Amino acid sequence: DAGITQSPRHKVTETGTPVTLRCHQTENHRYMYWYRQDPGHGLRLIHYSYGVKDTDKGEVSDGYSVSRSKTEDFLLTLESATSSQTSVYFCAISPGAGNQPQHFGDGTRLSIL
Amino acid sequence: GENVGLHLPTLSVQEGDNSIINCAYSNSASDYFIWYKQESGKGPQFIIDIRSNMDKRQGQRVTVLLNKTVKHLSLQIAATQPGDSAVYFCAENSKTGNQFYFGTGTSLTVIP
Repeated sequence: DAGITQSPRHKVTETGTPVTLRCHQTENHRYMYWYRQDPGHGLRLIHYSYGVKDTDKGEVSDGYSVSRSKTEDFLLTLESATSSQTSVYFCAISPGAGNQPQHFGDGTRLSIL
Repeated sequence: GENVGLHLPTLSVQEGDNSIINCAYSNSASDYFIWYKQESGKGPQFIIDIRSNMDKRQGQRVTVLLNKTVKHLSLQIAATQPGDSAVYFCAENSKTGNQFYFGTGTSLTVIP
């Protein structure tokens, strides 16, 4: 495994509540990514980080925010969860941008009722 | 967004046979491609990658072929084993080069 830990692995919560997912890496990689995976869709990028305090939006960023205060941690926050955000969320890391492979954690299954 | 897709959503093969999984991409500017394997309940696992200056790359029991003329990528698995049963999907880097676009995947089932 690539030294990526996602927490929690499973979470059930109610609409309107805030949710924070954590990704922790031990590889000291510069780039970290948050994706969601839904049936019928490929992995879709939510946000990514290219360094401490440096983040950018992906194609499905609405309703999500991120923070990276340390190299090893990348947090994804749903400020007010909606049922459409029910999904499996994956964190990925990479030493470079789009010219090196990304390695993934085992995901967080999030259900919003 | 980019269009990265697969010709077949499911594939069943006999144990010991070779498997071929296909992927089409639409961005002629993409210059780096990856194949991932995803088992149930787990994250995607890197299998093999290829850059656009190559048309073939081999790994252990796997070969990736890249045809830039028709924008097609394939993954060949030799002597398929039950442990190869999983979803396989391809990824291409975006026009900006900072992100990847992922296909929806092909589910491979190996019949013992």
